[in-house]
Amino acid sequence: DTAVSQTPKYLVTQMGNDKSIKCEQNLGHDTMYWYKQDSKKFLKIMFSYNNKELIINETVPNRFSPKSPDKAHLNLHINSLELGDSAVYFCASSQDDTQETQYFGPGTRLLVL
Amino acid sequence: AQKITQTQPGMFVQEKEAVTLDCTYDTSDQSYGLFWYKQPSSGEMIFLIYQGSYDEQNATEGRYSLNFQKARKSANLVISASQLGDSAMYFCAMREENFGNEKLTFGTGTRLTIIP
Repeated sequence: DTAVSQTPKYLVTQMGNDKSIKCEQNLGHDTMYWYKQDSKKFLKIMFSYNNKELIINETVPNRFSPKSPDKAHLNLHINSLELGDSAVYFCASSQDDTQETQYFGPGTRLLVL
Repeated sequence: AQKITQTQPGMFVQEKEAVTLDCTYDTSDQSYGLFWYKQPSSGEMIFLIYQGSYDEQNATEGRYSLNFQKARKSANLVISASQLGDSAMYFCAMREENFGNEKLTFGTGTRLTIIP
């Protein structure tokens, strides 16, 4: 009964490949997010979706394309992976109210070789 | 300018002692929320505690309390009676009232190590 789940947990791939990370939440939340945590542990928002609509896009390269088939899912597709994409990617969700707590998934550790 | 500042990159604390993790923030909004998250070595992000800018009382959740000093723009996390399992990275975060752009801005984190 995991609240926010991500797959895969680990992803090792070659430069230039295309990969996807899936996120699902069973909390009934309206808003979902993708964050990137770099090697120095700094967490930064990438995208947010509210009811399948893109709300935030924080100057992320267009090689990153989020897709929300329904409000319980927010997947992240990355084209032409680069070495600098290596990081931990966290999915999160919250109710669609200001100041609502965001609950995070377990993270996906991406390593680009 | 940094919106969230955590000045302690690392702390070592004896087990059973109380510990205070510092966090200062910068915003011109009247309505905002402050959060603390814990990230153990296993990597997940665990929500600990929330303080709303209009809350008059400091938030408490079990052994966690948030020392909210609005005039000083500080939101320090206090952990009472620390345990070995408290060893982790701790992140302070803020969510500003920016309708249509709700996001968490995180500090750089504090690595807390509890010494037996």
